[in-house]
Amino acid sequence: EPEVTQTPSHQVTQMGQEVILRCVPISNHLYFYWYRQILGQKVEFLVSFYNNEISEKSEIFDDQFSVERPDGSNFTLKIRSTKLEDSAMYFCASSPIPTSVSYEQYFGPGTRLTVT
Amino acid sequence: AQSVTQPDIHITVSEGASLELRCNYSYGATPYLFWYVQSPGQGLQLLLKYFSGDTLVQGIKGFEAEFKRSQSSFNLRKPSVHWSDAAEYFCAVGNEKLTFGTGTRLTIIP
Repeated sequence: EPEVTQTPSHQVTQMGQEVILRCVPISNHLYFYWYRQILGQKVEFLVSFYNNEISEKSEIFDDQFSVERPDGSNFTLKIRSTKLEDSAMYFCASSPIPTSVSYEQYFGPGTRLTVT
Repeated sequence: AQSVTQPDIHITVSEGASLELRCNYSYGATPYLFWYVQSPGQGLQLLLKYFSGDTLVQGIKGFEAEFKRSQSSFNLRKPSVHWSDAAEYFCAVGNEKLTFGTGTRLTIIP
């Protein structure tokens, strides 16, 4: 069964450094998402991406964050200058079709980001 | 604004017993509702979803959920739990942007 994959599984970085989290969505999916889950808290929406542009973003997704689909398979989340409060589990998700009939999202296993 | 409340932080049930996990939502239109399960160290796996139609939906692993518009609820049920069901369960609402509840941790007693 196809699945969303994410690399790395765990990333440790120093405050102020840039990190790139990588995701390979399910191959025929068209909508891509990033969510995060700070330890002990709920899963929070960051951004959705469709047709090579951001479709919707939350207030968390400020100028420090960016997303990109650099090729036909990868979907990346970049944090330009990490802060301690960026430490969280980051989940990538994808959906098979773009609009209102179904937003069934399939999640990857997550990347645990630790900022020291 | 859309929101989800899962009033039970932690539930413990005996193996073989029935289970009901509560979920209440707030949403401006007809909601799209989901239940996800997260095992330790794993990602979020979709258990079931409700978009429209029959208010009782069946999912994977023997789970079902019932949508009750009058109560703004979407409770998850299973008639007989197995030890492998021990995990964190999340209710979510939304379409493009999912809003999750805080989760319910399920512990199974042998």
